[in-house]
Amino acid sequence: EVQLVESGGDLVQPGGSLRLSCAASGFTFSSYDMNWVRQAPGKGLEVVSYISTTTGGTYYADSVKGRFTISRDNAKKSLYLQMNSLRDEDTAVYYCALSITPAAIRNGMDVWGQGTTVTVSS
Amino acid sequence: DVVMTQSPLSLPVTLGQPASISCRSSQGLVYSDGNTYLSWFQQRPGQSPRRLIYKVSNRDSGVPDRFSGSGSGTDFTLKISRVEAEDVGVYYCMQGTHWPPHTFGQGTKLEIK
Repeated sequence: EVQLVESGGDLVQPGGSLRLSCAASGFTFSSYDMNWVRQAPGKGLEVVSYISTTTGGTYYADSVKGRFTISRDNAKKSLYLQMNSLRDEDTAVYYCALSITPAAIRNGMDVWGQGTTVTVSS
Repeated sequence: DVVMTQSPLSLPVTLGQPASISCRSSQGLVYSDGNTYLSWFQQRPGQSPRRLIYKVSNRDSGVPDRFSGSGSGTDFTLKISRVEAEDVGVYYCMQGTHWPPHTFGQGTKLEIK
């Protein structure tokens, strides 16, 4: 069974840091590009970051550029999001997600994790 | 980034009746390969998003055939032929043509009247 399991969400003070993890199983992780998508309370979906499996190229939303870093460890079948200088507006559920069927990034994500909650508050 | 605009934002529907959600993009969504990368997602209460449709009208595996997608250019529609109780949730359109990034609509909340 294809599965993504996020972890690392927590309550953190403004200016603090967190590292999110996403453990993949049931598919060849090293073959697929990966995304982090977030959803603020009561709000819509926003792609935060993306990483290519072939080039290592990355994308960051303007709202997180310079503060967040995406990375992956294909041997551990894991995706990460290092979040620094956290702000109140980063409060959200963070999902890792990918497109497997069909495996074309432009089709959007057909596999999602259950999400991990990040709360930034003093 | 391409802006996706959905309407209505709230959609009360009687069980067994049809429902329709509109999505308009700020730029045309035909990609250089000839495909139109417009997808629809469903998010039930308390659940992760689920993709229903990709490339305008292709249903994902396991998606009931009462869901259908149509449209072209900048105007797209998701239709539910007969709404069931399990269809309650928020529906999002998303474009991938002008990726990166993928951009989503604001969401349409479907509820049972």
